[in-house]
Amino acid sequence: DIVLTQSPGTLSLSPGERATLSCRASQSVSSTYFAWYQQKPGQAPRLLIYGASSRATGIPDRFSGSGSGTDFTLTINRLEPEDFAVYYCQHFGTSPLRYTFGQGTKLEIK
Amino acid sequence: EVQLVESGGGLAPPGGSLTLSCIASGFTFSDFAMNWVRQAPGKGLDWVSTISADGTGTWYADSVKGRFTISRDNSINTLYLQIHSLSAEDTAVYYCARPMVRGVVHFFEYWGQGTPATVSS
Repeated sequence: DIVLTQSPGTLSLSPGERATLSCRASQSVSSTYFAWYQQKPGQAPRLLIYGASSRATGIPDRFSGSGSGTDFTLTINRLEPEDFAVYYCQHFGTSPLRYTFGQGTKLEIK
Repeated sequence: EVQLVESGGGLAPPGGSLTLSCIASGFTFSDFAMNWVRQAPGKGLDWVSTISADGTGTWYADSVKGRFTISRDNSINTLYLQIHSLSAEDTAVYYCARPMVRGVVHFFEYWGQGTPATVSS
């Protein structure tokens, strides 16, 4: 089974700074099946990035995704106050069908 | 506008059962595979189950196989999750989720607001 490990567990930054969040897969995965979500307290997750680098509908261009193989990155440029939240990476496996989430990175205001 | 509205959570005793529902609107429900994802208090996201668009295919996380049953009624645009032999580890908010586009099931663009289920005596 694929395990997704996110780092750091918590990231403390100030508005206006750049955030770099990492997700490492336990084995090489297809970028097509890789996504990032944002979740704020009391809310459902929101899809940010799919296919490792494509922004979902309505997602500002300060959010970008990159990576391949085992290492994937979510970058948030010029942090806005509303960006402070928990971020999850996710992989879709086909054989057997399953969805795996990372444990999350909390982005907090410094 | 796509809407997913879950219900059926609440307090249930260990060993008991719950049936969760998710009513969908704003899209052709029978065109999409549907999913349940849960989140224990203070924890991360945990995929539970997926059902194909026509209901003939079902998939489960190993942790719930044999105790959870996913189903759907396309005539009333409703997704279900039956949970049996409840344990404290099943305490979570349960979300239903829909993929972005028909036939591409790799990720979830639409989520309901979640229904909380608490297992306690």
